[in-house]
Amino acid sequence: NAGVTQTPKFQVLKTGQSMTLQCAQDMNHEYMSWYRQDPGMGLRLIHYSVGAGITDQGEVPNGYNVSRSTTEDFPLRLLSAAPSQTSVYFCASSLRLNQPQHFGDGTRLSIL
Amino acid sequence: GQNIDQPTEMTATEGAIVQINCTYQTSGFNGLFWYQQHAGEAPTFLSYNVLDGLEEKGRFSSFLSRSKGYSYLLLKELQMKDSASYLCAVSYYNTNAGKSTFGDGTTLTVKP
Repeated sequence: NAGVTQTPKFQVLKTGQSMTLQCAQDMNHEYMSWYRQDPGMGLRLIHYSVGAGITDQGEVPNGYNVSRSTTEDFPLRLLSAAPSQTSVYFCASSLRLNQPQHFGDGTRLSIL
Repeated sequence: GQNIDQPTEMTATEGAIVQINCTYQTSGFNGLFWYQQHAGEAPTFLSYNVLDGLEEKGRFSSFLSRSKGYSYLLLKELQMKDSASYLCAVSYYNTNAGKSTFGDGTTLTVKP
């Protein structure tokens, strides 16, 4: 049972480049979410999904897109990378809303 | 907003007891989670409180007072491996539709 798998673990981009962070879970969880964590701070919600085909914005959605075509996968797309998006990105899933979340190992992203 | 307040840093001695507090706005409260996050790693779930009172899990306990908007995480018989950041997260059923809002975390350092 792999849990929540994120790829890549590290990435360096140039300003203006686009890329997709991958997230997959094998626990048949309905709820999936993407957070960013900046140094010394908590987790801020970017986008979330309550099931396949359903997504919604969190606290800090600007500059990011998501889709949920299957229960298992929830990719996060950076449209045009900016230095302010340098952060650690965590994907998480839970059986339903208001249930404990399981986190992936994170993607450490640097934008130059 | 739904500010979640917890101390930024705490220090304690190996073998001692430490209490990490978390206060939050009570309107729309649905449940409260505690997560542990070691440096450079993903958060992991510790406890969940929805009703008033104490939940005990081995060396860790979590307390909730819904009317006061207050929770604490109690760590007993501290070990060096307990040095980590402890994140308080609150779920609200009104404006956030059950999604969790995280505090900035409390960094606990355990000294010999």
